[in-house]
Amino acid sequence: DQQVKQNSPSLSVQEGRISILNCDYTNSMFDYFLWYKKYPAEGPTFLISISSIKDKNEDGRFTVFLNKSAKHLSLHIVPSQPGDSAVYFCAASSLGGSQGNLIFGKGTKLSVKP
Amino acid sequence: ETGVTQTPRHLVMGMTNKKSLKCEQHLGHNAMYWYKQSAKKPLELMFVYSLEERVENNSVPSRFSPECPNSSHLFLHLHTLQPEDSALYLCASSLGTGRLNEQFFGPGTRLTVL
Repeated sequence: DQQVKQNSPSLSVQEGRISILNCDYTNSMFDYFLWYKKYPAEGPTFLISISSIKDKNEDGRFTVFLNKSAKHLSLHIVPSQPGDSAVYFCAASSLGGSQGNLIFGKGTKLSVKP
Repeated sequence: ETGVTQTPRHLVMGMTNKKSLKCEQHLGHNAMYWYKQSAKKPLELMFVYSLEERVENNSVPSRFSPECPNSSHLFLHLHTLQPEDSALYLCASSLGTGRLNEQFFGPGTRLTVL
């Protein structure tokens, strides 16, 4: 059973508007969460992370929100730009987890239309 | 070359062939990883190496054999694969295996097993 779920395989947004990508997790031991971004024919690149001691982390146009009680996190991109079109992966880890083991979701493909 | 490179980028092989995937990192990292991404599935960690020693093997079949001759190079030797092993194989590296260490990914090798 998947421990990290991204239930929307795709999302289409108009340039300049907000993109909201969602991620749910089932393992209450997860305490560190990351978002990766992947362009076609390239490997995933780290975007932003959040520790469970926080409920929000912001980096420029990207903000990640964590709702521990709901086991839910979201990535907000505002304003969205065509260059943000990519697949976004949510990942999680736990302190007691095995070394280097990130648990990934299946990804959400974001399309930002000009 | 910078970052993490992988060769070949595409590979087609028969079930009786033996082939190897190569990964090289130019970041001075001490940890390297193999991931598998099958169609419509999340990235799955296969192996973790720290300072050339294997520290994790996530129940991967023995037809996949990793080798890490030094901290800059990682190989995945393939033999007698099955069609269901067709997937994108991604290599990553990080400074250490601690979960706060950002993992840098290569572009992947698209493997097709006939």
